[in-house]
Amino acid sequence: DAKTTQPTSMDCAEGRAANLPCNHSTISGNEYVYWYRQIHSQGPQYIIHGLKNNETNEMASLIITEDRKSSTLILPHATLRDTAVYYCIARRSAISGAGSYQLTFGKGTKLSVIP
Amino acid sequence: GAGVSQSPRYKVAKRGQDVALRCDPISGHVSLFWYQQALGQGPEFLTYFQNEAQLDKSGLPSDRFFAERPEGSVSTLKIQRTQQEDSAVYLCASSTAGTGGLGAFFGQGTRLTVV
Repeated sequence: DAKTTQPTSMDCAEGRAANLPCNHSTISGNEYVYWYRQIHSQGPQYIIHGLKNNETNEMASLIITEDRKSSTLILPHATLRDTAVYYCIARRSAISGAGSYQLTFGKGTKLSVIP
Repeated sequence: GAGVSQSPRYKVAKRGQDVALRCDPISGHVSLFWYQQALGQGPEFLTYFQNEAQLDKSGLPSDRFFAERPEGSVSTLKIQRTQQEDSAVYLCASSTAGTGGLGAFFGQGTRLTVV
């Protein structure tokens, strides 16, 4: 799986959009970009994933650059409950053989939403 | 509940003691994973089951670590002769067949402290 690079920490004012960047310059064509978050004392929670098109769901939007070397997770209206560590993971589809099923987490970005 | 359940939530063990950590996955989920999360770090893969078959145990740090899922449902992670470096949160995750780690649902984890 390609290595990803994220800022260690970020602050965001409550009610504003939180934009979390991720660099994955060595991503290969069959690797997806996944985002998980981990709220304090809880297990990681799946947020969203994409291959090359922008994606949106009820939790967030994912913007992937055209060259796929970086992406941004957008929380449109951050709340205090969004304070968490956000992990960006690049990995192949599960349906591609041994080793493709595990998730490789880095240290993530600690997002603090400020009242 | 409908989520992944882990027990106990907290465990304090004396160095040298054996411990057993339990994971109840979401009903019907074929894939089950164990991760270890040290303080301030992202989760790290330990082992993977598909039904009762342990398909990958490459992440287990030593032969003191043993995992089983005898009936393809509940799983137990056992650590023998615990050491201080085993102190961590142990996370269990499950997902449906064919998805591997994609969209895996995580439990809240068991925090193990070895004193």
